[in-house]
Amino acid sequence: SAVISQKPSRDICQRGTSLTIQCQVDSQVTMMFWYRQQPGQSLTLIATANQGSEATYESGFVIDKFPISRPNLTFSTLTVSNMSPEDSSIYLCSAMAGRETQYFGPGTRLLVL
Amino acid sequence: SQELEQSPQSLIVQEGKNLTINCTSSKTLYGLYWYKQKYGEGLIFLMMLQKGGEEKSHEKITAKLDEKKQQSSLHITASQPSHAGIYLCGAADKGSSNTGKLIFGQGTTLQVKP
Repeated sequence: SAVISQKPSRDICQRGTSLTIQCQVDSQVTMMFWYRQQPGQSLTLIATANQGSEATYESGFVIDKFPISRPNLTFSTLTVSNMSPEDSSIYLCSAMAGRETQYFGPGTRLLVL
Repeated sequence: SQELEQSPQSLIVQEGKNLTINCTSSKTLYGLYWYKQKYGEGLIFLMMLQKGGEEKSHEKITAKLDEKKQQSSLHITASQPSHAGIYLCGAADKGSSNTGKLIFGQGTTLQVKP
């Protein structure tokens, strides 16, 4: 199994600012992902974080708004740029070590005022 | 695109009672995940099913995938307050089986009354 940590665990931000969320896995993993969970809703995939190359974004999500880095096999960051209240969500990082089990981090709760 | 529908949306049971949560897919499932989420927290991996007819158990929780691989159920025996939370099913559709991308159902909120 993989243990995933995220920082910060929660934050309150002003509109127009940016926040970078860090995701650290305790072992090397093949794939890392970023999901968003808006209040009262289920999870939606934002992007696949590719090691050493640009992330692959899902429909409705763009790099300018959600830049992602993955410099190595255990670490990734997601930045939420130029935030608005609509960005208030839980942001979750996940990882797959093989082709099966996908583990999730504890999430980052973001409130934008 | 594939969609997952969970039922019921919410459930309140008395401690000690059994319960079942269902997850139905609009397309054939090539990997079905069950997770539990405490309010406002991350997802705890419960089980993953891949083969038609497969059944897995962990402690008092049993998950099954039907033979046609379009429906899964999660059964909790003798529920306890610690089982309370949101249960989410997630699926990798055929196009995503090698990419790891998951889509999720809307979740089932479980309350267990002592």
